[in-house]
Amino acid sequence: IQMTQSPSSLSASVGDRVTITCRASQSISTYLNWYQQKPGKAPQLLIYSASSLQSGVPSRFSGSGSGTDFSLTISGLQPEDFATYYCQQSYSTPPLTFGGGTKVEIK
Amino acid sequence: QLQLQESGPGLVKPSETLSLTCTVSGGSISSNTHYWGWIRQSPGKGLEWIGTIYYNGYTYHNPSLKSRLTISVDTSRNQFSLQLSSMTAADTGIYFCARQTENLRVFPDWMDPWGPGTLVTVSS
Repeated sequence: IQMTQSPSSLSASVGDRVTITCRASQSISTYLNWYQQKPGKAPQLLIYSASSLQSGVPSRFSGSGSGTDFSLTISGLQPEDFATYYCQQSYSTPPLTFGGGTKVEIK
Repeated sequence: QLQLQESGPGLVKPSETLSLTCTVSGGSISSNTHYWGWIRQSPGKGLEWIGTIYYNGYTYHNPSLKSRLTISVDTSRNQFSLQLSSMTAADTGIYFCARQTENLRVFPDWMDPWGPGTLVTVSS
């Protein structure tokens, strides 16, 4: 299953609402997870099962979608949110597959 | 608090076999609701799932690596390991281990937490 993220990069300001989309090449129900990765660090889980917020993750992060179309929204971008975001499907194993990533940069 | 730590050589020669170990602390690897996975990231690129193992030794492999890949588990040491043979420059990157939670389809799913990663360079 191919995962396509868009955009591949975006520029935004602190306080902006940002939405990243992820499209699966076939239906994956809600078996979709989102991760944040900062330079030189391991990815961190933000959202699992399309819309469940991982413990400890700020509530400004939210996920939605089912089937083939999903989105990650950051409501009120904070300085620490500038990072690269990846989606990952777990419907079809093997292989688990990731999207290509979306880099969120400071405008 | 569960923690994972990768260990292994940072430099591997072309055609040789890479061996990495992930040590799990703060919890047992013999969990019946968790799996243990390997993921890698080429320099400046995205994430690629390598494979996953259950504490009883059942494995899932990325088909693109299956012929070169061995994943094993040592429950007595709370460790799991990766061996990747016939290494080439294309295998250079950061290798991560992570815990995976089982989903309703009884498959390994989301990855949390992750180890910090270890850089592996393939060069003569």
